[in-house]
Amino acid sequence: GDSVTQMEGPVTLSEEAFLTINCTYTATGYPSLFWYVQYPGEGLQLLLKATKADDKGSNKGFEATYRKETTSFHLEKGSVQVSDSAVYFCALHGSGNTGKLIFGQGTTLQVKP
Amino acid sequence: ETGVTQTPRHLVMGMTNKKSLKCEQHLGHNAMYWYKQSAKKPLELMFVYSLEERVENNSVPSRFSPECPNSSHLFLHLHTLQPEDSALYLCASSRDIQGAGGETQYFGPGTRLLVL
Repeated sequence: GDSVTQMEGPVTLSEEAFLTINCTYTATGYPSLFWYVQYPGEGLQLLLKATKADDKGSNKGFEATYRKETTSFHLEKGSVQVSDSAVYFCALHGSGNTGKLIFGQGTTLQVKP
Repeated sequence: ETGVTQTPRHLVMGMTNKKSLKCEQHLGHNAMYWYKQSAKKPLELMFVYSLEERVENNSVPSRFSPECPNSSHLFLHLHTLQPEDSALYLCASSRDIQGAGGETQYFGPGTRLLVL
């Protein structure tokens, strides 16, 4: 079945460092891909998404490119801030129309001043 | 601002109790979802409702009983839970059930449940 694998956390960076969180997926067909972020004490918020191969999603300085050849959707940011500290979830929506999102296990990011 | 609210935010219950979680969305969406978030595990989809009809039941034990009286409200009724059911329960909504285009799901803040 469909699945999403994220790099294990936690990831600890200093402010202004470059961020990469790896995400790879297994799915049949052409899934839509998402990154969600969960700040402490809150629910998940959509960060960015891409619906077809080679699409680049971007928001708040974060970017991710849908790479079908490597089945990946890695999240990047050039310069992280303390306020980016959160848990990041990669997810896919595959074939079918039951609204089912498949999530990775989440990666905790901690940014230190 | 997500437009999805959940109550209560925290709940402690014994294994013989009966309680209900409530979710309300103010976004005019047609689809609503319950997820379970346990420590160190991926989010698990529990139930999906579209226009008040259940369209997905992900092999969830019968001690969890959902109810969707209208497209704005979703409940999760709990009875005779086990300690391993302790988790964060998240509600979400979307304009419609996700098709190939990738509808965005909007999440509430969750209810932190502890079963003693």
